[in-house]
This record gives sequence, structure tokens and C-alpha cells, in this order.
Amino acid sequence: DIQLTQSPSFLSSSIGDRVTITCRASQGISSYLAWYQQKPGKAPNLLIYAASTLQSGVPSRFSGSGSGTEFTLTISSLQPEDFATYYCQQLNSYPITFGQGTRLEIK
Amino acid sequence: QLQLQESGPRLVKPSETLSLTCTVSGGSISDSSYYWGWIRQPPGKGLEWIESIYYSGSTYYNPSLKSRVTISIDTSKNQFSLKLSSVTAADTAVYYCARVVVAYDAFDIWGQGTMVTVSS
Repeated sequence: DIQLTQSPSFLSSSIGDRVTITCRASQGISSYLAWYQQKPGKAPNLLIYAASTLQSGVPSRFSGSGSGTEFTLTISSLQPEDFATYYCQQLNSYPITFGQGTRLEIK
Repeated sequence: QLQLQESGPRLVKPSETLSLTCTVSGGSISDSSYYWGWIRQPPGKGLEWIESIYYSGSTYYNPSLKSRVTISIDTSKNQFSLKLSSVTAADTAVYYCARVVVAYDAFDIWGQGTMVTVSS
């Protein structure tokens, strides 16, 4: 199975900050990576697919990059509604796996 | 607008079978641009993919659960279903059904999730 390791696991930031979350894969997955945002009590919401393509309706302050084994999700200027948990997911091969999550909280 | 809704018992006894159904509304489960999947999330923990199924009936399972999982699809009812046998407390989780876009294999639409507790 392909393991995904996110860093950091917890992040405390302020409104307006630029934030970067990293996802590392245990083996190369090309660009087969997606990012999700999950708020408490809600289902995850797709933000980015194919490593860098913004899902329709997602604000442009979200961006993704990377390929192979290292990927990043960047939020250019944190808004109050962005405080949530973020997960990466690899789509390169079965079984589909998720990172352990990064919890983003208000400083 | 396509929506997914999970349904099924919220409480299952240990060693019994957990059965959930996902009803798709606002679109066809037979659309070849998509396939369908189940993901679960134990309380306070991360996401775990369970299985996926195409409208044709082709399936993919998580090896860690494969021996206990059955997924099926009923195109006449626009539903797909999950059965997880021999459940234990470790299977207590929120269970989500979701749509997967074939073009990029990401879960783009999710159900609201249903909390299933395994307890006697």
C-alpha cells in the first residue's frame, strides 16, 4: 500500500496568513493526488485533484503543486472559513489511501 | 444537483453484519463518467477507503477489509450498497458514500455520512 504522510499534523495560524501543508508519498504517484477539506460533523469537500487542478467552486486562494512523492497544498490568505482539517488522498493505485490529516486552527 | 444519501441501521451488534445503502438522486448511477465508493471515519480519526464499484459491477476493495466486505449496485433503484460482516467495535465509524469522477479518480460528491455504532 502507498503510505501518505502529511506535515504538520497540527497548524495554528492567523487570518490572512499564507499556509502550506505537505503530503509525502511512500512511492511515486505521478500527479494522482487530491486534497480535501473537512469541517467538524461534515463530509469532506474536494478542493484539488490531479495535484494542482482546482475543483469547480473552490476559492482561488487554494492551490496545489507537486508530483512524484512530494505535494503541497497552499492557502494564500487564510479566511475564517478555512479553519478545518485537510486530507490528501492518492489515486495512483489501489488501495486508495489518505494522509492522516492536518488540523488547521486559529491562533 | 446530484445528491447521495446513506441509510441503514445505526446500531449493529458485534459479530453481525453492517448493511448500508446509498441512494443517488438528481443523476444516474449508470453514468459511465463516474463510479461509486464507500469511505469510513472512526470517531476522532482519519478517513479510510473501503471499496468502490462501477455501474457495470466491477469492484475494488481495501485488502484490509476485503474478506468481510460486499458491495453491490442496483441501477434500477439508483442505489449501491455495502455489507460488512463479523463487525467489532473497531468498525464503529461514520460511513460515507461518494461519487468518483473517472477522469481523475477523486471523490467529488459525498453523502452526509451516517454514524454506525457496534455495540451489544
